[in-house]
Amino acid sequence: AQSVTQPDIHITVSEGASLELRCNYSYGATPYLFWYVQSPGQGLQLLLKYFSGDTLVQGIKGFEAEFKRSQSSFNLRKPSVHWSDAAEYFCAVGRGNTGKLIFGQGTTLQVKP
Amino acid sequence: GAGVSQSPRYKVAKRGQDVALRCDPISGHVSLFWYQQALGQGPEFLTYFQNEAQLDKSGLPSDRFFAERPEGSVSTLKIQRTQQEDSAVYLCASSPRVHYEQYFGPGTRLTVT
Repeated sequence: AQSVTQPDIHITVSEGASLELRCNYSYGATPYLFWYVQSPGQGLQLLLKYFSGDTLVQGIKGFEAEFKRSQSSFNLRKPSVHWSDAAEYFCAVGRGNTGKLIFGQGTTLQVKP
Repeated sequence: GAGVSQSPRYKVAKRGQDVALRCDPISGHVSLFWYQQALGQGPEFLTYFQNEAQLDKSGLPSDRFFAERPEGSVSTLKIQRTQQEDSAVYLCASSPRVHYEQYFGPGTRLTVT
């Protein structure tokens, strides 16, 4: 069965430090990959997506992600974290004829001042 | 432009009551999805509409859950005889086409007491 794994439940980084959130997927075909962010009480906002082409994808708010087929990974990175980045981050795979999303369990990011 | 809206934002139901949750997608979006997000978990797919046709309802957890989109725009998710395990945030998302980014609403938090 297709699945998405986010190994880190909770990550704490200092403001200004770099960030990497891990995502591994299990999916036979070429995946459609997404990163979403969710702030408390809010819906999901798309940070970036990968469909094909360049494996390094740029998104909003200074985030980027790299698709590595050999490692079945799509890790999210940011060179310098801001306090406003504290939120829940979800990796997702779009699958099937409908494009329904399969989400990981999420990573909670805490930012220390 | 207006995003995806959902109502009510919060709903408290006594066990055994029926509830109806509404989703107004972005105008012109063909695809509409419903997801269920339990506390501390990633969203899980419930059902998918393409215009008014419900093409995938494989994620609906029981026959107490029913969704419709009669005119290909507004959608309603109905839960009959609510149970405590139905307590969750119900997210609606729309998309202009298949395998494209999904735009999420703020969700409806359902609490069954």
